Amino acid sequence: SYELTQPPSVSVSPGQTARITCSGDALPKQYAYWYQQRPGQAPILVIYEDRQRPSGIPERFAGSSSGTTVTLTISGVQAEDEGDYYCQSADSSSTSLVFGGGTKLTVL
Amino acid sequence: QVQLQESGPGLVKPSQTLSLTCTVSGGSIRSGDYYWSWIRQPPGKGLEWIGYIYYTGSTYDNPSLKSRITMSVDTSKNQFSLTLNSVTAADTAVYYCATVPHSAMEVNSYYFDYWGQGTLVTVSS
Repeated sequence: SYELTQPPSVSVSPGQTARITCSGDALPKQYAYWYQQRPGQAPILVIYEDRQRPSGIPERFAGSSSGTTVTLTISGVQAEDEGDYYCQSADSSSTSLVFGGGTKLTVL
Repeated sequence: QVQLQESGPGLVKPSQTLSLTCTVSGGSIRSGDYYWSWIRQPPGKGLEWIGYIYYTGSTYDNPSLKSRITMSVDTSKNQFSLTLNSVTAADTAVYYCATVPHSAMEVNSYYFDYWGQGTLVTVSS
């Protein structure tokens, strides 16, 4: 089955830039999406179609894509950005949707 | 803005059937604007897509769960439902309902824009 690979954890100091990667063989052909999940809450979509930001999501959240890796970049990280981040995409045939294992972002 | 609310038993015995309903407000299932989806998250673990259904009844399932899943829509109640049979402890999770925009799927884009708050289902005797 298709898999997306994320680092388990990323730590940054407030005001710094956090980068979370997600790798998958089908990512050159399929869009990637990113979700933020704070403890005890439902996920929130923060990036769709690789780099598009839904309304209400701060400009410090940005997505990019290069080959089989997509990256979520959070510039000027704030304490409220702490939480788990999941990438999501579809397999090459678009028949199955898959999430990455999640990355815990810690703001030091 | 669409709002979603999951409901169902919080405790299910092993080998029995898990049944959940998602009630939609702020929009009509019959509008065709969304595919209606289920996602779960075992305690302390990551997210897993279960499947989604269109108002016409067309369904798309996670192959790993396909044989145990049934999804349905009730347009008269503006609800959609999930049943998962032959449950085990591995099915213990927070179950979320969510939406996938139909307009996005037409351009090969599949993302979950609205989510319910989730409901914890524990499988235990």
